[in-house]
Amino acid sequence: AQTIHQWPVAEIKAVGSPLSLGCTIKGKSSPNLYWYWQATGGTLQQLFYSITVGQVESVVQLNLSASRPKDDQFILSTEKLLLSHSGFYLCAWSLRDRDEQYFGPGTRLTVL
Amino acid sequence: SQLAEENPWALSVHEGESVTVNCSYKTSITALQWYRQKSGEGPAQLILIRSNEREKRNGRLRATLDTSSQSSSLSITATRCEDTAVYFCATDGGGRALIFGTGTTVSVSP
Repeated sequence: AQTIHQWPVAEIKAVGSPLSLGCTIKGKSSPNLYWYWQATGGTLQQLFYSITVGQVESVVQLNLSASRPKDDQFILSTEKLLLSHSGFYLCAWSLRDRDEQYFGPGTRLTVL
Repeated sequence: SQLAEENPWALSVHEGESVTVNCSYKTSITALQWYRQKSGEGPAQLILIRSNEREKRNGRLRATLDTSSQSSSLSITATRCEDTAVYFCATDGGGRALIFGTGTTVSVSP
């Protein structure tokens, strides 16, 4: 069975500090991977997607970057956090484009 | 403006009643998906309906798609308290990015 793990579960960070969020998918080879951001009570905004190791496409620019260093790992990062980065970050995977996406449990980020 | 939008914004029903959430979208699509997100969790897909399908069922769930009016509906029959969640429609817009709507909060009370 496939599992998706996100870390950390929650973070409280200062404005201007760096950030690194991680996502690991087990039990599925070469999945499409996605990062989403969700403001409290808001919709989900797709940030990045990756169809293979080393290749990441940006969907929305939010002063964030993403990398896929391994087939089963997706990293979201920034060198300087903004207040507007607060929210719920979700990682997801799918077999192919436009397929059902399977979401992880999310990371709650609070920037103060 | 939103490329996908659900209505109404919120619904309240009692257990056993039926509920319908509507979605309107603004782009051509290859498929439309319905997701449910419970508080503090990631979304979970309920139904995927392709552009050449008019109706899809999954247990107590029924989705319809009308590409001419660019609209979809999700109906839940015999609701249960555990159906309480935010319901999103999501379209592909013909590309790789999945575009989620604004969500409808459904509350089911005993």
